[in-house]
Amino acid sequence: NAGVTQTPKFRVLKTGQSMTLLCAQDMNHEYMYWYRQDPGMGLRLIHYSVGEGTTAKGEVPDGYNVSRLKKQNFLLGLESAAPSQTSVYFCATNQGYNSPLHFGNGTRLTVT
Amino acid sequence: GENVEQHPSTLSVQEGDSAVIKCTYSDSASNYFPWYKQELGKRPQLIIDIRSNVGEKKDQRIAVTLNKTAKHFSLHITETQPEDSAVYFCAASSGYNFNKFYFGSGTKLNVKP
Repeated sequence: NAGVTQTPKFRVLKTGQSMTLLCAQDMNHEYMYWYRQDPGMGLRLIHYSVGEGTTAKGEVPDGYNVSRLKKQNFLLGLESAAPSQTSVYFCATNQGYNSPLHFGNGTRLTVT
Repeated sequence: GENVEQHPSTLSVQEGDSAVIKCTYSDSASNYFPWYKQELGKRPQLIIDIRSNVGEKKDQRIAVTLNKTAKHFSLHITETQPEDSAVYFCAASSGYNFNKFYFGSGTKLNVKP
């Protein structure tokens, strides 16, 4: 039972390059989230999904896209990376109404 | 949207002392308040949570209090140990927004042996 797994763990991109981060969960949770964590700013919600085939914008969605084609996977895409997207990205899931988030191990992304 | 403020940003205590971290929130509809501990380079992990129909909850050395009227909640750690050193985040969530969690900016707790 792996819980929430993120790949890759580290990535370095040049400005303008694209990439996809994968989040996979085996907890059968409906809700999935992508957060970014920057020093002194806590965790900010990028996009989220309330079920297979659905996605919605969070607080800081610009420059990112997401897809949830299967219940267990939530993908975060950067089409044209910018230095401002240098951050640690966390995927999280939860079971539903007012239940705690379960986080993946994070992806450290550097854009030069 | 919700705004969660967390204080202090850093806290240094002697081993065995108590530590208190405070958070305020703005949305009166928020009704679920978890606390997360994040060790360096690791994922945030839930340590305790409280729902709006409860004023206080304890789990061994950790307790959380909630004052809905004043819109603030606090984390209390007693008999601190060096392994309590980490960054702690509070969060507020409202059921109106599909469990959108709004996080505080974090408190770095340093427990000195």
